[in-house]
Amino acid sequence: KAGVTQTPRYLIKTRGQQVTLSCSPISGHRSVSWYQQTPGQGLQFLFEYFSETQRNKGNFPGRFSGRQFSNSRSEMNVSTLELGDSALYLCASSSQQGGVSGNTIYFGEGSWLTVV
Amino acid sequence: AQTVTQSQPEMSVQEAETVTLSCTYDTSESDYYLFWYKQPPSRQMILVIRQEAYKQQNATENRFSVNFQKAAKSFSLKISDSQLGDAAMYFCAYRSGGSQGNLIFGKGTKLSVKP
Repeated sequence: KAGVTQTPRYLIKTRGQQVTLSCSPISGHRSVSWYQQTPGQGLQFLFEYFSETQRNKGNFPGRFSGRQFSNSRSEMNVSTLELGDSALYLCASSSQQGGVSGNTIYFGEGSWLTVV
Repeated sequence: AQTVTQSQPEMSVQEAETVTLSCTYDTSESDYYLFWYKQPPSRQMILVIRQEAYKQQNATENRFSVNFQKAAKSFSLKISDSQLGDAAMYFCAYRSGGSQGNLIFGKGTKLSVKP
């Protein structure tokens, strides 16, 4: 079974630009969530999607948005990039089918975003 | 709100020895899950072990085991027969049992393994 796949793996953007990151969850997983990892703030939850609906959202400004498609693939978008948005963005998926297995979250390799 | 605390920013262990990483959490919930993830230099977040709160028995996965003390809200990870490949950042994480629970992470412990 293929794992969580994220693209692109690395990207460099200029302040003020926008960026879109893509994530394909593990086959059969309907929940996709996104996390930001920085040296200063650690791992922070951005949002979670289930069946194309945002179900949960972290404490990030409206410049951070996401969506989920009918095939469970997800994208996150950051508009008007700031230097502080430089981070590793991790996508994760879970089946949500109950029990510890259904509630276990599996991560992709991440997308490294550098804002210059 | 739930919090996760890892009090050891760095730990070191000799190859083949045993090391224990500490994690405490705070919650008022009764239904939740606890996880340990490993993040090597590649930055891939890898699941090490998981525990359901309502299960008294401590989880084990090969050389990895946990000491889950629910009353004390403690969830430590023991790595036996440490190997060079175990060197990584280790994150303790909490997830509510509700369907909308996201992971709440500790700040991590950097484990070094000396040959």
